[in-house]
Amino acid sequence: GNSVTQMEGPVTLSEEAFLTINCTYTATGYPSLFWYVQYPGEGLQLLLKATKADDKGSNKGFEATYRKETTSFHLEKGSVQVSDSAVYFCALSDPGGYGQNFVFGPGTRLSVLP
Amino acid sequence: DAEITQSPRHKITETGRQVTLACHQTWNHNNMFWYRQDLGHGLRLIHYSYGVQDTNKGEVSDGYSVSRSNTEDLPLTLESAASSQTSVYFCASSESGPLNEQFFGPGTRLTVL
Repeated sequence: GNSVTQMEGPVTLSEEAFLTINCTYTATGYPSLFWYVQYPGEGLQLLLKATKADDKGSNKGFEATYRKETTSFHLEKGSVQVSDSAVYFCALSDPGGYGQNFVFGPGTRLSVLP
Repeated sequence: DAEITQSPRHKITETGRQVTLACHQTWNHNNMFWYRQDLGHGLRLIHYSYGVQDTNKGEVSDGYSVSRSNTEDLPLTLESAASSQTSVYFCASSESGPLNEQFFGPGTRLTVL
């Protein structure tokens, strides 16, 4: 079946540090890939997405590239801020089955210290 | 602006009681989903619907039911609440088609005593 694996953390960084959160996936078809962010006490918000191989999704300084050859979608940001502290979820949507079937990774908690 | 809302935001109930969590979206999306979020388990799919009168079981559907009588609403019912159902519940919706993002509500924190 489909699955998403991501580093579970927690990840603790100093402000302005470089961020990488690894995400790899297993899927039978050609999935779309997503990164969602969840701030404390809130629901998940879409951060970025990519729908085909070699696509790069980007938003708010975050970016991730859809790598089909390594089945990966790693999230990166060049300089994190305290306001980036949140839980980050990698997810895929596989069109191979009926309708929409999202699979989420376990989430990675990021804490950015001033 | 279109949105997805959940009510109540917090609920405390007792074991054995029936509880209904509301989800309402104004996106006019056909697809709607219920998830629960627990520490160590991430998000797990409870039930989902691809349109009016359509409902499907997800990964952890035991003890839960849903009904879809219109496009906007997908209420989640716990028939007889159990302590194991203490969790944070999220509703989401999306446009038809497998490649579209899901939009999430703010969540309902349910405590079963």
